[in-house]
Amino acid sequence: TQLLEQSPQFLSIQEGENLTVYCNSSSVFSSLQWYRQEPGEGPVLLVTVVTGGEVKKLKRLTFQFGDARKDSSLHITAAQPGDTGLYLCAGSGGYQKVTFGTGTKLQVIP
Amino acid sequence: DAGVTQSPTHLIKTRGQQVTLRCSPKSGHDTVSWYQQALGQGPQFIFQYYEEEERQRGNFPDRFSGHQFPNYSSELNVNALLLGDSALYLCASSTGTSDRGTQYFGPGTRLTVL
Repeated sequence: TQLLEQSPQFLSIQEGENLTVYCNSSSVFSSLQWYRQEPGEGPVLLVTVVTGGEVKKLKRLTFQFGDARKDSSLHITAAQPGDTGLYLCAGSGGYQKVTFGTGTKLQVIP
Repeated sequence: DAGVTQSPTHLIKTRGQQVTLRCSPKSGHDTVSWYQQALGQGPQFIFQYYEEEERQRGNFPDRFSGHQFPNYSSELNVNALLLGDSALYLCASSTGTSDRGTQYFGPGTRLTVL
């Protein structure tokens, strides 16, 4: 069974601060996705990373896929209240079987 | 371009009843996956349909079944409902030829079992 552990589980920070969320597994994934989910809604895809060591940037968000394709990180610079939500990583194996992480609940206080 | 749609939005059932949830994939997508998300947790994979066949299945009992229609839309059926089946049920669509796992999610159906 493939498991994805995210840390921290909860994060409450002030507007303008930086933060990093980690997603770790003992399994190798062919790709990894990051999603943000707001209460009562479905997850919204932020990024897909495929290559070991890959770094992708989306405005103030930086995503990195580990060299061994077992882990990933999400770094947010100068967090805004609009960044508040549940951040989920998801790893994909064969035939698109997707395993979700445990989630990181982020609250950005104005 | 319509995204993934799900119906109904909310549903209340009692123990022992049966429920059917519906999903229409994003235009151009042929693969539908279903997930169960308990409050405060990440989604758990139920199963995936491609070419009207169940291609992958997670660790869910046979009470959970599904179907995919020729137009790629899908249904999730749950029989003999238990209190623990209360959750947000998410549908995600993708293209079957991609192994990259990129999926697009619908808004979900909130099921409450009393």
